[in-house]
Order: sequence, then structure tokens, then C-alpha cells
Amino acid sequence: NAGVTQTPKFQVLKTGQSMTLQCAQDMNHNSMYWYRQDPGMGLRLIYYSASEGTTDKGEVPNGYNVSRLNKREFSLRLESAAPSQTSVYFCASTLSERQSSYFGAGTRLSVL
Amino acid sequence: GIQVEQSPPDLILQEGANSTLRCNFSDSVNNLQWFHQNPWGQLINLFYIPSGTKQNGRLSATTVATERYSLLYISSSQTTDSGVYFCAVVGTGGFKTIFGAGTRLFVKA
Repeated sequence: NAGVTQTPKFQVLKTGQSMTLQCAQDMNHNSMYWYRQDPGMGLRLIYYSASEGTTDKGEVPNGYNVSRLNKREFSLRLESAAPSQTSVYFCASTLSERQSSYFGAGTRLSVL
Repeated sequence: GIQVEQSPPDLILQEGANSTLRCNFSDSVNNLQWFHQNPWGQLINLFYIPSGTKQNGRLSATTVATERYSLLYISSSQTTDSGVYFCAVVGTGGFKTIFGAGTRLFVKA
């Protein structure tokens, strides 16, 4: 089992460029999440998908969009990247809100 | 929304020492987890513990839901325990997971 797989691992963008971060899980989990982690801080929830076909905003959704493509895949899109979006992005999944979460290895994004 | 506070923010231990990390939260929770983020950035789930006590090797955790706190105990610490320990909670209202700011642990050889 690969668990939670994120691509790419690293990305450098110029201000205004767009990109999509991909996340896939092979654990048949229902819920998936996107977080960002800024230096020296905890993780902040951007968006989540409680189940296939649903998405909801987290703490810091501005500047991002998401798509729950199917039960396995949950993508995060930056339409017009800004330097403030420089961060490490983590995807996570869980069977339900009363279960353990499992995290991908992260995507380190720099916006110049 | 629900607030999560972790203490201490930083901790330096000599190898072999014991430690207790604390997580306070401001409202009832359906889910409380402890994670270890290693120096390479990987997040590893240590415990799912919305209430009660669990043990896994040298680590154990206790959550007293009625008093809104959780404790993570590390015994006989090793250098590989270094990293950041996060507490994360989900309130009774839904799926939003809120992380604390973490406790940064450094274990000296």
C-alpha cells in the first residue's frame, strides 16, 4: 500500500501562474483534506471533502479551489499564485471524522 | 471556533529522560490525535485518543475529555524522538481539524 501520495514534491512558480497539486489515497478512505504549513507553525486546513461528491472550506480557503475527482483523488488548484502561498502543502485522508488521519509526504511550493 | 494550545513550545532533553507534553482544547471534541513530525517533515500518527489512555511502546497518551486536555508521555527518550509533536482536534460539529502550534523536541545524545 502506498497510502497517501502527493505530486509534485517540489514546485517553483512565478506570481500569477497557476498549478494543481494532486493527491491520491489507496486506503478506501471517505474523507480527504488539504492543509498548509508555514515555517514554525502548525497545519491549517484549506479545504476538506467529507465524502465523495462534497467539498467544504476550512480555515484558509482564499486563493484555492479543490476537486474531489473520485473517492481516491482530491486535487488543490492555485489559479493565480501569490508569494503568500509559499508553503508546504499536505494532503491527508481518514475513514471517518472519528478515525486516525494519514498524511502524504507534502509538496514544497515556492512562489516568486 | 475551537482553540488548541500546546505546551511547552520547546523542550530539550538528554537521551534517556522522560517528558510530558500537554494539549488544551476549548470545546468538546469527537477526535483528538497526536502526531510526530520528523526532521524530514513527515507526519506520523501516534495516537487517536478522544478519551481515555493508550500506550504504544515508550509512548503513552491520556485524554480527559471532561477537563479538555490531553497529555503525551515520552519515556526513555531517544534521539530519534526529536521533531515536532502536534495535537489536532475535531469538534463535535463536523470534520474541520484544528492543529495546535506544536511542541518542538530536541533529544541530545
